Amino acid sequence: DAKTTQPPSMDCAEGRAANLPCNHSTISGNEYVYWYRQIHSQGPQYIIHGLKNNETNEMASLIITEDRKSSTLILPHATLRDTAVYYCIVRVGINQGAQKLVFGQGTRLTINP
Amino acid sequence: GAVVSQHPSRVICKSGTSVKIECRSLDFQATTMFWYRQFPKQSLMLMATSNEGSKATYEQGVEKDKFLINHASLTLSTLTVTSAHPEDSSFYICSAAPQQGMNTEAFFGQGTRLTVV
Repeated sequence: DAKTTQPPSMDCAEGRAANLPCNHSTISGNEYVYWYRQIHSQGPQYIIHGLKNNETNEMASLIITEDRKSSTLILPHATLRDTAVYYCIVRVGINQGAQKLVFGQGTRLTINP
Repeated sequence: GAVVSQHPSRVICKSGTSVKIECRSLDFQATTMFWYRQFPKQSLMLMATSNEGSKATYEQGVEKDKFLINHASLTLSTLTVTSAHPEDSSFYICSAAPQQGMNTEAFFGQGTRLTVV
């Protein structure tokens, strides 16, 4: 079962920041939070991941609360091409090397012109 | 960046036939690959873990004799849907990671859309 909770859908205006929340209240101390997105009929695309510190890369920023029970993915200047389903995933790390990702329902983000 | 490639991207087959889907890691070696299935308007469902040189590990409810997985090399895993039926029509996706450990990202293939007629 997925260990995260996300709103099923969100809308954002083009050019504005898109903030996607995720709850992961049962996260363990050594589990990472990963974000992927899936554009229609394509394989998921990696966005960002983090453990407890905030992270930023060329695609997005990840803000993780101090208690690690929730996080927010921020797309700073959303474009129409950012319309996709965004998945927040807590790594199910059974053993080293097992990149096992259990997907929840994700958030369908629609960027409006 | 790391690339995972699937082939074919789209396939149509007749009921009762078998279909093989390939998943390749193009610029890294992967001892472990994962196979997912996705029905329309649903999320990805993990089917099995493909282990190089050993048997695959299947998730609960996935028939191992129907979905044959072979991981004969460090860059190739195959999924064969045997005796396909229309209900097997779905989007099949594989993933792999270039490194072991908890702090690495997995990369996904572009997916294979299977239609059984």
